[in-house]
Amino acid sequence: GQQLNQSPQSMFIQEGEDVSMNCTSSSIFNTWLWYKQDPGEGPVLLIALYKAGELTSNGRLTAQFGITRKDSFLNISASIPSDVGIYFCAAIQGAQKLVFGQGTRLTINP
Amino acid sequence: SAVISQKPSRDICQRGTSLTIQCQVDSQVTMMFWYRQQPGQSLTLIATANQGSEATYESGFVIDKFPISRPNLTFSTLTVSNMSPEDSSIYLCSVELGGETQYFGPGTRLLVL
Repeated sequence: GQQLNQSPQSMFIQEGEDVSMNCTSSSIFNTWLWYKQDPGEGPVLLIALYKAGELTSNGRLTAQFGITRKDSFLNISASIPSDVGIYFCAAIQGAQKLVFGQGTRLTINP
Repeated sequence: SAVISQKPSRDICQRGTSLTIQCQVDSQVTMMFWYRQQPGQSLTLIATANQGSEATYESGFVIDKFPISRPNLTFSTLTVSNMSPEDSSIYLCSVELGGETQYFGPGTRLLVL
């Protein structure tokens, strides 16, 4: 089936640094979504992207839907301790079925 | 968004038994889904829970192992049947809202001994 290649798998950064992660695929998708999952919780939607080339911000988070419709990135600026968690990209191709990336585990050193 | 609850939040079960997980939404939704997240892994779609008809299962998942009910537009259940330790996972329901955006419940953490 379709797969999303998410990188990096993990990141260890200092508080205040910016973070960048991305997802790529060999398939075209119509919608890209970014989620954050805290330990013991379900994924929480951060940003949804519906149009190729779209750049969307949510506070310190910025995400873009690649122009080829095969990739997306998520940036976090000025990281804070509560940004710790696992970030997942996800994409929808048809019938509202989500396919997920492998996740990026973010660790922040204070 | 919607408020989504799942019961139980966690359980420890013996192999060979079955567990039914409930998912409740605070508003009527057309599309509900069930996912599995194995330890340290990403999420994998099990099936789409269709109201008034049989669920649509993804490759690798079958109705005998994961029967699903969807009696109305706010509720669904997933049963994990004849469990083995390999079924130890987080099971999550999600709903589609606002056009191609899915929101997830808190998950049910299952450990099979």
